[in-house]
Amino acid sequence: AQSVSQHNHHVILSEAASLELGCNYSYGGTVNLFWYVQYPGQHLQLLLKYFSGDPLVKGIKGFEAEFIKSKFSFNLRKPSVQWSDTAEYFCAVIKAAGNKLTFGGGTRVLVKP
Amino acid sequence: ETGVTQSPTHLIKTRGQQVTLRCSSQSGHNTVSWYQQALGQGPQFIFQYYREEENGRGNFPPRFSGLQFPNYSSELNVNALELDDSALYLCASNTGSPTSTDTQYFGPGTRLTVL
Repeated sequence: AQSVSQHNHHVILSEAASLELGCNYSYGGTVNLFWYVQYPGQHLQLLLKYFSGDPLVKGIKGFEAEFIKSKFSFNLRKPSVQWSDTAEYFCAVIKAAGNKLTFGGGTRVLVKP
Repeated sequence: ETGVTQSPTHLIKTRGQQVTLRCSSQSGHNTVSWYQQALGQGPQFIFQYYREEENGRGNFPPRFSGLQFPNYSSELNVNALELDDSALYLCASNTGSPTSTDTQYFGPGTRLTVL
């Protein structure tokens, strides 16, 4: 069965610091990869997704993620965070042509003003 | 806003009772998936419905069941509630067939507490 690991449960940063959140998955076949974000009191929403092509994917709000197939990783980055990036971030994986989205445990990010 | 609504927002039940949670998707969203998110964890896939038929299930017992209706609404039913069923229940919908290329749009969730 596929699984997703997010290495950090909590991250605390100051504004303007760079952010990198790790995500590794365990499935060896072709996968599609997602990062979702949940701002306080709001719905889960899609930040970015990777299906194929350029392994460096750009999403909303200045986020990007890099798919490294050899490392089974899909790390999320943002060069300079803002207080409004305080949220919980979830990495998710689905097998190509599959229907079961598997989420990691999430990383809570707190950005101090 | 994702166009996906859920009701009720919060619910308190006791062990052994039954509960029905509801989800309303956008028009044209033929696929709906349900997830359970326990406190401090990521969402876990319960099952998916496509055109009113179950189209895949996660590791949840049969006392978790669902229905999908032609008007893009759906239900999650849980029988014989257990304390461990306390969680946030999320529904997500997407257009067309349940392929992995479609973005899933999530509702705000129903917080279920079982006492």
